[in-house]
Amino acid sequence: KQEVTQIPAALSVPEGENLVLNCSFTDSAIYNLQWFRQDPGKGLTSLLLIQSSQREQTSGRLNASLDKSSGRSTLYIAASQPGDSATYLCAVMTDKLIFGTGTRLQVFP
Amino acid sequence: GAGVSQSPSNKVTEKGKDVELRCDPISGHTALYWYRQRLGQGLEFLIYFQGNSAPDKSGLPSDRFSAERTGESVSTLTIQRTQQEDSAVYLCASSLASGATYEQYFGPGTRLTVT
Repeated sequence: KQEVTQIPAALSVPEGENLVLNCSFTDSAIYNLQWFRQDPGKGLTSLLLIQSSQREQTSGRLNASLDKSSGRSTLYIAASQPGDSATYLCAVMTDKLIFGTGTRLQVFP
Repeated sequence: GAGVSQSPSNKVTEKGKDVELRCDPISGHTALYWYRQRLGQGLEFLIYFQGNSAPDKSGLPSDRFSAERTGESVSTLTIQRTQQEDSAVYLCASSLASGATYEQYFGPGTRLTVT
């Protein structure tokens, strides 16, 4: 059974720091991995999608890497801003999307 | 906007009552998904619809849960005889089709509280 774990569960940092959020999964047989952002009352927003054949994806200040063989992905956020405060979820696609429990990020000025 | 919408945004109900949650997918999206997110937990898949095919109900937690979708339009998730453990945020998503290559777009969710 596929299980997805995210570490840390919560993170509070001052503005400007570079951050790394971690995601691990138990079964490497995945089609892709996605990182989402969840804001209260606004559902999920897809940030980055990495296909199983890819190693990383970049969008602005965000960079996500995927090491399928070791069952790990990291989301790197450069020069964090207060507007980055949200819960970050990773999810792996098998026949369904299977989500981790998220990392709650707070960036304070 | 043309995103996924859900109603109501919040619902408080008494234990034992039935509730209906509604999802309006993005126009033209043939696949529709329901998820549940309990406090402090990840999203759990409940059910998905793909066009006119039989829905995948493998994630429904009990026979008190059911969902319907007419064609490629609105879907309703019904929970009968609600229990306190049903309290959660229920999220709906849609995509152009089912499968790994199609991104799912999520609605804002319905927060259900069973008292």
